[in-house]
Amino acid sequence: EDQVTQSPEALRLQEGESSSLNCSYTVSGLRGLFWYRQDPGKGPEFLFTLYSAGEEKEKERLKATLTKKESFLHITAPKPEDSATYLCAVPVEDSSYKLIFGSGTRLLVRP
Amino acid sequence: NAGVTQTPKFRILKIGQSMTLQCTQDMNHNYMYWYRQDPGMGLKLIYYSVGAGITDKGEVPNGYNVSRSTTEDFPLRLELAAPSQTSVYFCASSPSSGQGEEKLFFGSGTQLSVL
Repeated sequence: EDQVTQSPEALRLQEGESSSLNCSYTVSGLRGLFWYRQDPGKGPEFLFTLYSAGEEKEKERLKATLTKKESFLHITAPKPEDSATYLCAVPVEDSSYKLIFGSGTRLLVRP
Repeated sequence: NAGVTQTPKFRILKIGQSMTLQCTQDMNHNYMYWYRQDPGMGLKLIYYSVGAGITDKGEVPNGYNVSRSTTEDFPLRLELAAPSQTSVYFCASSPSSGQGEEKLFFGSGTQLSVL
């Protein structure tokens, strides 16, 4: 069964304290891994797509990396405005447009 | 730039009542989706559509119905509301052409409580 697992469930950081979020998946024949950011009371907002092991993408203080079994979202010197829930998702094995989402990591960055 | 618009934002239903959640997008996207998000859980796909007149079930379709008469609109119908349908509902669209980047654009959600 296709599965996506995110850890930790919640993470509290001090401003400037770098860390990483994990997304592991069991889908075979990966056709993309997506990262989204979700602010309270809003819909998820697209951050990155990664397609192959070794690929990296960056946006401001965020960098996403991908291996054959998992993806990491590295947050460097975070600021309070980076506080949000971060979701990862992968397409199910038999479809390119149906996504399985992880349950997310709730990140709180304190000033 | 409106993007994906959902109405209403909040709704309280009594058990057994019916309602329609509205979703419209102005990006001319072929693919549209309905997800539900329960507290502390990931998004679960309810129904999706790959174009006008074509709909299909996702992971959790029971208790819901959809229609897609136009490219822009994708309403979600709850016929007999049950407490298990208390959730936040998100509509999304994507310009997917099957060539790789199936990025989803989400609406701001409808928070539904069934009491």
